[in-house]
Amino acid sequence: GENVEQHPSTLSVQEGDSAVIKCTYSDSASNYFPWYKQELGKGPQLIIDIRSNVGEKKDQRIAVTLNKTAKHFSLHITETQPEDSAVYFCAASIGNNDMRFGAGTRLTVKP
Amino acid sequence: GAVVSQHPSWVICKSGTSVKIECRSLDFQATTMFWYRQFPKQSLMLMATSNEGSKATYEQGVEKDKFLINHASLTLSTLTVTSAHPEDSSFYICGTRTGRTEAFFGQGTRLTVV
Repeated sequence: GENVEQHPSTLSVQEGDSAVIKCTYSDSASNYFPWYKQELGKGPQLIIDIRSNVGEKKDQRIAVTLNKTAKHFSLHITETQPEDSAVYFCAASIGNNDMRFGAGTRLTVKP
Repeated sequence: GAVVSQHPSWVICKSGTSVKIECRSLDFQATTMFWYRQFPKQSLMLMATSNEGSKATYEQGVEKDKFLINHASLTLSTLTVTSAHPEDSSFYICGTRTGRTEAFFGQGTRLTVV
């Protein structure tokens, strides 16, 4: 089955700096790659996603890139703010099948 | 995005009792729902996939007789933890896919078995 690896496990940046989180996946049939933000005691919230027919997608300060050949995708957050502090999860799936998650990255943005 | 409501948000129960968690899709029909379990500082681990009107599909290692899943309508799926034990204490999260492949999740249920 699909195996998703995520790095780093923790990331600390200064407010205003950029943050990058990277994930790799194992199943070349995976075609949908979302990113979730999870705050303490809450369910994961979808922040951005990318499909396999696209190499890059941007939404304001957040962008995601996908390299299908290498089977990796990355989340980029620019101009980080303290409220960006949370745990971020990448995931991969095939169509509407179940979602497999990475291990998570705890991002801390220091004011 | 789609709204998924999960209830209760937290529950404390005695060892040996059963607990039911509800997951509702509020603004769309969910033919498939997923149930995940998350231990502290860990990732979401898929427990089972719940299909409306049919039996749930469980992941390897998840006891189907212990974690009963019912998906009787297109807007409601329930997870019942039977004969709960302290090791079942965890954060349980339901999710569903829309027709456009996005997956949305409930707020989660913190289960503590004492």
